[in-house]
Amino acid sequence: AIQLTQSPSSLSASVGDRVTITCRASQGISSALAWYQQKPGKAPKLLIYDASSLESGVPSRFSGSGSGTDFTLTISSLQPEDFATYYCQQFNNYPLTFGGGTKVEIK
Amino acid sequence: EVQLVESGGGLVQPGGSLRLSCAASGFTFSSYAMSWVRQAPGKGLEWVSAISGSGGSTYYADSVKGRFTISRDNSKNTLYLQMNSLRAEDTAVYYCAKDYDSSGYQPIFDYWGQGTLVTVSS
Repeated sequence: AIQLTQSPSSLSASVGDRVTITCRASQGISSALAWYQQKPGKAPKLLIYDASSLESGVPSRFSGSGSGTDFTLTISSLQPEDFATYYCQQFNNYPLTFGGGTKVEIK
Repeated sequence: EVQLVESGGGLVQPGGSLRLSCAASGFTFSSYAMSWVRQAPGKGLEWVSAISGSGGSTYYADSVKGRFTISRDNSKNTLYLQMNSLRAEDTAVYYCAKDYDSSGYQPIFDYWGQGTLVTVSS
């Protein structure tokens, strides 16, 4: 199975900060990567698919990049509602796998 | 409006069985592959199983292969997960999730249910 390693596992940031989360795949997955946001007690929400395509309704401060094995999720200016845990997911092949998550906390 | 509503969770003893259901509405259920994703308390997301729109293709995580069976009844717009030989490590919130598009080649999830808690304990 393809392993996804997210870093950092947690970070503290302030409103307005630029935040970057990375996701590294154990083998090449082309652009078959998605990013989700999850808030406590809620189901995940799709943010980015195909590594860099913004899901409809998601604010443009979210962006994704990368291909092959290295991917990033960037929040250009962190807002109060962005404090959450973020997960990457590969869909290049089964079994589907998720990264371990990155918790974004308030500094 | 797309809605996914899970049911069937609860407390079960190790070695026991449970069947989860996910009632879907607001979209053409038979056109979309569906998945189950779980989350152990305080842990990350783990994909469990997927099934094609027709039900003809199924996929499983190694951790549940041979113990869990995914199925669907397109006449009832309902997804199922039969869980046998349950272990303590199967304790989690189980979400059903809808594929983003109907091609079946992009298993990412645009709609999720609210989740149902399965607790395996004696």
